[in-house]
Amino acid sequence: GDSVTQMEGPVTLSEEAFLTINCTYTATGYPSLFWYVQYPGEGLQLLLKATKADDKGSNKGFEATYRKETTSFHLEKGSVQVSDSAVYFCALSGDTNAGKSTFGDGTTLTVKP
Amino acid sequence: SAVISQKPSRDICQRGTSLTIQCQVDSQVTMMFWYRQQPGQSLTLIATANQGSEATYESGFVIDKFPISRPNLTFSTLTVSNMSPEDSSIYLCSVLSGTDFNQPQHFGDGTRLSIL
Repeated sequence: GDSVTQMEGPVTLSEEAFLTINCTYTATGYPSLFWYVQYPGEGLQLLLKATKADDKGSNKGFEATYRKETTSFHLEKGSVQVSDSAVYFCALSGDTNAGKSTFGDGTTLTVKP
Repeated sequence: SAVISQKPSRDICQRGTSLTIQCQVDSQVTMMFWYRQQPGQSLTLIATANQGSEATYESGFVIDKFPISRPNLTFSTLTVSNMSPEDSSIYLCSVLSGTDFNQPQHFGDGTRLSIL
């Protein structure tokens, strides 16, 4: 079945540092890929998405590129802020799973001033 | 995008009791899902709520423990029955609009449940 593997966390960075959170996947067919963010006390929110190979999703300074050859969708941000502290989930979804999404384990990011 | 209201936002319950969580969406949606998120862990899908019929449960989850209703296209409930401390978790409702399964899900803010 489908699976998503995220880099193990937690990740602690200083403000303005560069962020990379790795995500790789296995899936049948051609899934869409997502990054969700969960702030403390809240549900998950969509951060960005990519629906086909070589697509780049971007939002709020975060970027991720759908790499079919390496089955990866790594999340990057050039300069993190304290307000980016949250849990980040990589996920995939597609036609083969009747609308159900597969989520990674989540990576907790803490940004210190 | 759909706006989801989940109630209650949190509760503290005694073991052996049951709690019903409500999920209300501001528009008709195709699919509604219930997840459990245990402390510091990822999401585990409990079931897909089907409108007008029995929910579809994932492996490890049964209807007697987690009865689900979905009377229409905008509302669903999840009941956590005969609760024990192991049921302490965040329970999340999510929805998928339309028939394009490549679209993201939209989540409620969750119900934080503690069992004493």
